[in-house]
Amino acid sequence: GQQVQQSPTSLVLQEGENAELQCNFSTSLNSMQWFYQRPGGSLVSVFYNPSGTKQSGRLTSTTVIKERRSSLHISSSQITDSGTYLCAMVQNSNNRIFFGDGTQLVVKP
Amino acid sequence: EAAVTQSPRSKVAVTGGKVTLSCHQTNNHDYMYWYRQDTGHGLRLIHYSYVADSTEKGDIPDGYKASRPSQENFSLILELASLSQTAVYFCASSGLGGSQNTLYFGAGTRLSVL
Repeated sequence: GQQVQQSPTSLVLQEGENAELQCNFSTSLNSMQWFYQRPGGSLVSVFYNPSGTKQSGRLTSTTVIKERRSSLHISSSQITDSGTYLCAMVQNSNNRIFFGDGTQLVVKP
Repeated sequence: EAAVTQSPRSKVAVTGGKVTLSCHQTNNHDYMYWYRQDTGHGLRLIHYSYVADSTEKGDIPDGYKASRPSQENFSLILELASLSQTAVYFCASSGLGGSQNTLYFGAGTRLSVL
């Protein structure tokens, strides 16, 4: 089965609304990373968050290792936030990295 | 600033032909990876390497070979390209341990096999 499950698959927001993206993983891990991808673009790291809560501007990531989940909260969404958000988990035992299928976010004016 | 450079950025290949995708990193990272992304999906690991002159199979290695001649360079080789290999390919690098696990991606190579 898939190691990393993301939800929702897609999300449409009005500008200014908040978003909560979820990532659940099936095995133990040592770290979690969130990426942002523009349509047709490369992936840019948003957060490297092995545990706890990290904030950067309007983005907040919370990882709870014991519950095998991580979330990405986007507050006051903007049109430029549109794109795909992917989470990836790292198994430190072998540095293998597993990706979820992503959440496609569309923010409308 | 960590840098991963892929070439070519796009490629049209014929079925049965040989395709080589190249990746160069200036991050001094030990780990390098090749992923493919299909429309609307996440990334799947093809091959990776943690040291020069050695490569490891990822989750979908069939139909692909990899070569790591130096720490900086990592190539993906399709000996006999097939239609099913049409996808976007991403190269990435990372260090080892802690925040060095952070992945840095190249811009991607869009491959179309006709």
